Amino acid sequence: DTGVSQDPRHKITKRGQNVTFRCDPISEHNRLYWYRQTLGQGPEFLTYFQNEAQLEKSRLLSDRFSAERPKGSFSTLEIQRTEQGDSAMYLCASSTYPKNTEAFFGQGTRLTVV
Amino acid sequence: QKEVEQNSGPLSVPEGAIASLNCTYSDRGSQSFFWYRQYSGKSPELIMSIYSNGDKEDGRFTAQLNKASQYVSLLIRDSQPSDSATYLCAVKGRGGANSKLTFGKGITLSVRP
Repeated sequence: DTGVSQDPRHKITKRGQNVTFRCDPISEHNRLYWYRQTLGQGPEFLTYFQNEAQLEKSRLLSDRFSAERPKGSFSTLEIQRTEQGDSAMYLCASSTYPKNTEAFFGQGTRLTVV
Repeated sequence: QKEVEQNSGPLSVPEGAIASLNCTYSDRGSQSFFWYRQYSGKSPELIMSIYSNGDKEDGRFTAQLNKASQYVSLLIRDSQPSDSATYLCAVKGRGGANSKLTFGKGITLSVRP
């Protein structure tokens, strides 16, 4: 396991459709973060998990967004009823706690809503 | 008020010069500071972390932290065209609810051959 893996790398969807992204963290990392990045901006925090527990959600995460990490390993981020404003790069990162090492990002999933 | 501010770019330097990238943050309780490099269309890549006041050097990169002034910077010596990218400053709080990274908008560096 050499790093954080995200799937798919690219997703084009029609407005109103549901999409789901997957993130596999570095195997020994118990913390997993989701961020969203739009053009010209830094990544914005969406939510994070410690093991299977979702510990914090941003106000950016509307009720159309849901994230899970059922077994404390991989995580999924689902967006229901997609809107054009959801078009962005969705980034996953992982780290360890309490050792609290730096967070390493996956390649990202670029979502385009048409 | 933005929590992490990076001075507006883009920044252009000639090859071989020193590039200086600056960042200020608003949360005085912030504990950990990071610089990520992001090439166009790619994800952020961690290049430096710093946790205590002073300088930290790693190869051509030096991170500087001044918690009293709430200021963190990145110096890139002997800049190379391959350093051309967007550099993101990120800050993490003490823990618990502050475990997330807060990013600045980034500054785009262009190194001219």
